[in-house]
Amino acid sequence: AQSVAQPEDQVNVAEGNPLTVKCTYSVSGNPYLFWYVQYPNRGLQFLLKYITGDNLVKGSYGFEAEFNKSQTSFHLKKPSALVSDSALYFCAVRDNDYKLSFGAGTTVTVRA
Amino acid sequence: DAGVTQSPTHLIKTRGQQVTLRCSPKSGHDTVSWYQQALGQGPQFIFQYYEEEERQRGNFPDRFSGHQFPNYSSELNVNALLLGDSALYLCASSLGQARYQETQYFGPGTRLLVL
Repeated sequence: AQSVAQPEDQVNVAEGNPLTVKCTYSVSGNPYLFWYVQYPNRGLQFLLKYITGDNLVKGSYGFEAEFNKSQTSFHLKKPSALVSDSALYFCAVRDNDYKLSFGAGTTVTVRA
Repeated sequence: DAGVTQSPTHLIKTRGQQVTLRCSPKSGHDTVSWYQQALGQGPQFIFQYYEEEERQRGNFPDRFSGHQFPNYSSELNVNALLLGDSALYLCASSLGQARYQETQYFGPGTRLLVL
């Protein structure tokens, strides 16, 4: 079985400060990891994914994520947050399966 | 390049009724997955269609059924609606053959309210 945990319901940061959204996963096979963002009353927008290779993955809008196999983590990061980054962020995992398993989500608020 | 589209955007039904939601995949995609997102939760996998067949199903009752057409578009049908079926229903499309590596791209969703 595959699962994802996002330990923080909310993350609050000031604009210009670094942003980190945490994610840990559990899979039986090789993990395929994804980050999505959801704005109010909208669908999910793909940010980035880890399949294989470099542990640091770069994605859209200046976001990046670091895959750590020993800690089974895939934390999302942005060096300098913008007010427009305020949204709901979901981590998802897939192993040898067709479905994506999502975490409960982390609400990010960036204050001006 | 059109993304994933879903219709309708909003829907209000009463308990016991039936509903059909529609999804057109992103251009070039042949696989459609459906997810249910209840308020304050992450999306939950309902099922996936590839080559007009249900390829995998999540933990949802048989009241939830689907269909995929030759043009890869898909429908989600829910019978005997319950209050607990109120949610945002998301459709995601992807390329089927590479399976695990492929990114699923999501539509804007259909907001279903059951009264």
